[in-house]
Amino acid sequence: NAGVTQTPKFQVLKTGQSMTLQCAQDMNHNSMYWYRQDPGMGLRLIYYSASEGTTDKGEVPNGYNVSRLNKREFSLRLESAAPSQTSVYFCASTRIVGQGTEAFFGQGTRLTVV
Amino acid sequence: QKEVEQDPGPLSVPEGAIVSLNCTYSNSAFQYFMWYRQYSRKGPELLMYTYSSGNKEDGRFTAQVDKSSKYISLFIRDSQPSDSATYLCAMSGGGNNRLAFGKGNQVVVIP
Repeated sequence: NAGVTQTPKFQVLKTGQSMTLQCAQDMNHNSMYWYRQDPGMGLRLIYYSASEGTTDKGEVPNGYNVSRLNKREFSLRLESAAPSQTSVYFCASTRIVGQGTEAFFGQGTRLTVV
Repeated sequence: QKEVEQDPGPLSVPEGAIVSLNCTYSNSAFQYFMWYRQYSRKGPELLMYTYSSGNKEDGRFTAQVDKSSKYISLFIRDSQPSDSATYLCAMSGGGNNRLAFGKGNQVVVIP
C-alpha cells in the first residue's frame, strides 16, 4: 500500500522557472492538502481540496496554483519560482475518524530556488 | 493568537530520560488530538491520537489531554536514540475536516 506518493523528491529551480509538484494517494480519501515546511515555521497550508472538483486557499497561497485532477491526484504548480519558495513541500490526504480527522503525508519534495 | 501553540525549541536528553512535550490550543471545538512523529527528511507519521481528556498509553508513549485547560502533552519514557525526531501536535474538530498543527519540537536523544 503506497499511501501518498510525491514526485519529484528533490528539485533545483532558477528564479522565474516554473514547475509542477505531483501528488497521488491510493487510500480513496476525499480531501487532499499541500503544505510547506520551513525551519521554525512549522507546517503551513498552501491549498487544499475538500473533494474532487473543489480547491480552496490556505494560509500561504500566493505564488502557487493547484489542480485536483481526479480523486487520486492533486498537483501544485509554481508559475514563476522565487527564492522565498525554497522549502520542503508535503502533500497529505485525510480521512474522517469519528469527530476528527487524520492526515497521511507523502515523503516530501525538497525545492531549492536559486 | 494562533489556534495551536507549541514552543518549537529543540530538546536534547540523555538516553533513558523522560521526554515531555506539550501544546496549548484556543479553539474549544477541537475534539481529536494527535501527535505526529517526523524523522529527518521524511514526512510526518501519526504516532498517537486521543478523543477525550485523560491519559492514553502506547508502550513507552503517553498522550495526555486536559480539555478544561486546553492543554495536551506527550511523554516518552525510557527514551531511545531511535526516538530522535521532530514531534508535532495536531488537532481537529468543529465541523470542518482541517487539521491545526503545532510548529513541532525537535528531540535529540543522546546515547
